[in-house]
Amino acid sequence: SQKIEQNSEALNIQEGKTATLTCNYTNYSPAYLQWYRQDPGRGPVFLLLIRENEKEKRKERLKVTFDTTLKQSLFHITASQPADSATYLCALDEDTGNTGKLIFGQGTTLQVKP
Amino acid sequence: DGGITQSPKYLFRKEGQNVTLSCEQNLNHDAMYWYRQDPGQGLRLIYYSQIVNDFQKGDIAEGYSVSREKKESFPLTVTSAQKNPTAFYLCASSPQRELDTLYFGPGTRLTVT
Repeated sequence: SQKIEQNSEALNIQEGKTATLTCNYTNYSPAYLQWYRQDPGRGPVFLLLIRENEKEKRKERLKVTFDTTLKQSLFHITASQPADSATYLCALDEDTGNTGKLIFGQGTTLQVKP
Repeated sequence: DGGITQSPKYLFRKEGQNVTLSCEQNLNHDAMYWYRQDPGQGLRLIYYSQIVNDFQKGDIAEGYSVSREKKESFPLTVTSAQKNPTAFYLCASSPQRELDTLYFGPGTRLTVT
C-alpha cells in the first residue's frame, strides 16, 4: 500500500529565510498531492493541491513542486515569519482509483525564529 | 457562520464505557470522515462516508462505529472494544463524493482512564 514519509525532525530556521519541507511517497504516483497546516490542538487547514501533470504551484509565499520521477513533493515558504511556525502535513489518495481515502504523512514541524 | 463543529473539545471517560463524539457540518458537503491522531503519528482514517446512509471502514475501524442518517451529521462511537481510545479525534468533510480537499473540525481530545 501507499506510504508517505515526511521528515520527523523539526525544522528550525531564521525569520526571512526560505523553509523547504519534503514529502516522499513509496508506490504509484497519485493523481494529486495536498499540503495542510496544523497548529497545536487544532484541526489541519488546507493550503495547496498540486496535480500530477503540474510541476509547480504557487500561492502567495507558498510554493509546491511535484516530481513523479523522484516520487517527491517539496513545500517551500519564502520570506518565512514566526507566524509560519506550525506542523505541515502532506496527503494523497490511498489508491489509484480516487477512492476517497486520503492518507497523511506524520508531518514536519517548522519553527521560525525571529 | 459555516463550518464543521465537533463537541465537546475535551472528553473524559472511564475504561469500559462507550462514548459518542459529535460532528456536524453546514457546508452541504457530501463526504465526511473521521481521523485519529496520536503524538508523532500521521492522521489515520477510521471511517468515511461519501453519501447519506452509507459508510466504509478506514484503516483502523476496529472498536469504532458510525452512522450517517443525515447529510450534516456523522457521529463516531468509541466502544469499549477499542484498546487504546485515548487520542485526538478529527472530523472532516469534503464537497464531493470523489476526494477533494478536506475541511477539518477543531477536534475532540478523548482521554480514557
